[in-house]
Amino acid sequence: GNSVTQMEGPVTLSEEAFLTINCTYTATGYPSLFWYVQYPGEGLQLLLKATKADDKGSNKGFEATYRKETTSFHLEKGSVQVSDSAVYFCALQEYGNKLVFGAGTILRVKS
Amino acid sequence: EAGVAQSPRYKIIEKRQSVAFWCNPISGHATLYWYQQILGQGPKLLIQFQNNGVVDDSQLPKDRFSAERLKGVDSTLKIQPAKLEDSAVYLCASSFRGTQYFGPGTRLLVL
Repeated sequence: GNSVTQMEGPVTLSEEAFLTINCTYTATGYPSLFWYVQYPGEGLQLLLKATKADDKGSNKGFEATYRKETTSFHLEKGSVQVSDSAVYFCALQEYGNKLVFGAGTILRVKS
Repeated sequence: EAGVAQSPRYKIIEKRQSVAFWCNPISGHATLYWYQQILGQGPKLLIQFQNNGVVDDSQLPKDRFSAERLKGVDSTLKIQPAKLEDSAVYLCASSFRGTQYFGPGTRLLVL
């Protein structure tokens, strides 16, 4: 079946550091790909998405590019802030709009 | 625009008791999802509704879990009887044009 693999956390960075969270997927066809963020005590919020190969999703300084060749959708941000501390989930969308999530990566940003 | 509403936010019960969760999706969203998120894992789909019909309930433990969406708007998820391993956050989501929007979740602890 389809699956998503994310890098294990927690990832701990200092403020203004560069962030990369790796995400790779296994799927039949070319699913849409998503990054969701979950702040403490809250539900998931859509961060960005890409629907086809070579698409770049971006939002709030975060970006990710849909790489068909490497089946990857890595999340990047040039300069993280303390407020970015959260759990980040990579997900793919199967036929019928069902989402398959990775296990999540905890990000901790220190001031 | 109001987001997805869920209640209660927290619930503590003893094993073998029953519990129910309520969800009100974003107005106009025909598709509604219930996910189970166990601590340290990504959300896992339990059931998907399209209006008041079930699209996918293949991952729902039907011996103890049930869900309904009688008028194609609000939905209720029930667990009876609860087991220790049901301790999790139960997330409701609704979708528009393929993008899912999540509620804040109900955190269930089974003692």
